[in-house]
Amino acid sequence: DAGVIQSPRHEVTEMGQEVTLRCKPISGHNSLFWYRQTMMRGLELLIYFNNNVPIDDSGMPEDRFSAKMPNASFSTLKIQPSEPRDSAVYFCASSPRTASGELFFGEGSRLTVL
Amino acid sequence: GESVGLHLPTLSVQEGDNSIINCAYSNSASDYFIWYKQESGKGPQFIIDIRSNMDKRQGQRVTVLLNKTVKHLSLQIAATQPGDSAVYFCAENGGAGGTSYGKLTFGQGTILTVHP
Repeated sequence: DAGVIQSPRHEVTEMGQEVTLRCKPISGHNSLFWYRQTMMRGLELLIYFNNNVPIDDSGMPEDRFSAKMPNASFSTLKIQPSEPRDSAVYFCASSPRTASGELFFGEGSRLTVL
Repeated sequence: GESVGLHLPTLSVQEGDNSIINCAYSNSASDYFIWYKQESGKGPQFIIDIRSNMDKRQGQRVTVLLNKTVKHLSLQIAATQPGDSAVYFCAENGGAGGTSYGKLTFGQGTILTVHP
């Protein structure tokens, strides 16, 4: 079975540009999470959805970040405008049960903002 | 244990040895804890979890121990293999519970290197 699919795997962009990261969760999973990983701050939760509804976006760093989940099989994380400090690996994860911390992570999107 | 900044704790073992990776947490409200493994270039992978009403849980070659009194969590890996080489993260849910078990706070990680 396919796992969580993220795209692009790598993106290099210039400061000020819009970045859109995409995620396809595992079919049948009803929770979706966006995490960010940097050397300095480790893994941080940005936002999560249950049944396509955003539940907690308190980890979204600022208004430049937005996330959507228009249907059960697709989510986007958008940064506009991007800044060098946004450089990180962004992970999407899904879970089949809300009462479990067993998350299935994608392989991540490595973002570099110059 | 936990660390802040660029220098992750490291553990180096020989193949076949048992490994113990430690983690301290600070949130006394946390009632759910998880260990994840992350190999280079990949996303974290779930290993084992434990709820606060337990102090020990075993899986295949792994055991998690929880000491709530001193807020300490450990992961024991039996007969460590080169394929176990990775960064290991403990995570806690801060007592979120309910529909928020995936709302996790991750530790900084420990690098495990297994020598053949």
